[in-house]
Amino acid sequence: DTAVSQTPKYLVTQMGNDKSIKCEQNLGHDTMYWYKQDSKKFLKIMFSYNNKELIINKTVPNRFSPKSPDKAHLNLHINSLELGDSAVYFCASSQDAAGAGRNEQFFGPGTRLTVL
Amino acid sequence: SQKIEQNSEALNIQEGKTATLTCNYTNYSPAYLQWYRQDPGRGPVFLLLIRENEKEKRKERLKVTFDTTLKQSLFHITASQPADSATYLCALDISSGMRFGAGTRLTVKP
Repeated sequence: DTAVSQTPKYLVTQMGNDKSIKCEQNLGHDTMYWYKQDSKKFLKIMFSYNNKELIINKTVPNRFSPKSPDKAHLNLHINSLELGDSAVYFCASSQDAAGAGRNEQFFGPGTRLTVL
Repeated sequence: SQKIEQNSEALNIQEGKTATLTCNYTNYSPAYLQWYRQDPGRGPVFLLLIRENEKEKRKERLKVTFDTTLKQSLFHITASQPADSATYLCALDISSGMRFGAGTRLTVKP
C-alpha cells in the first residue's frame, strides 16, 4: 500500500564516496521530485522531473543527478560526497507538474544521509 | 529577494483553543498555496490547497485563508487536540517547483 517508498532509510558513508538513493511511487503520478531537508528543517526542492522535462534548482551542485528508468522511479545519485551533503532527502510525487494546480505532493519517508 | 516566512518557529497552545499559523511571502506570485503537516522522522503530509481566487478553504477542523494582496495565508486549527502537535509547513506552488516555508512547530498541551 505504500504510495512513495525510498531506500535506504539511513545511509552512512565516507566523504568522497558515490552513493544512490532509490525512489518508487505506485500512484501513477506523472511528476516526481527530490527534496533536501537540512538540520534546520528547511525543505528545499532539488529536482522536478516528468517524462517531458527536468527542472533543476540552480543551487544544486552538479554532483547530484536524478536518474529515471521509468515513470514510477526517480533515483538520486550523488558523486564525491561532502560533509555538507548530510541531510534528510525526501522523494515526492504529484499528479501534475509544478504550478499546474493538481500538485499536492506525496512524500516518501525520507533517507537520512550522514557523511563522515 | 524571494522569501517565505512562517512567523512563529514554535507555537504552544492549550487543548481546545484555536491555533493560528501565519505564512507570508515576498516576490512570489503563486497561483496556489498549500499546507502540510510533518511529524518527527516522517515526510510531510498534504493537508489543504487553496487557489489564488479563493479567499478561504475548510476541511473538518482546518481552515486556510489566502490574501494575495497582503501576500499572506493563515492556517487555523479549531478545537485543537494534543494529536495536532506537529510542524506545519506552508508551500507555494510555482512553475519551477514547490517552495516551502521553514515551518511552525505547534504543541498542543492537554
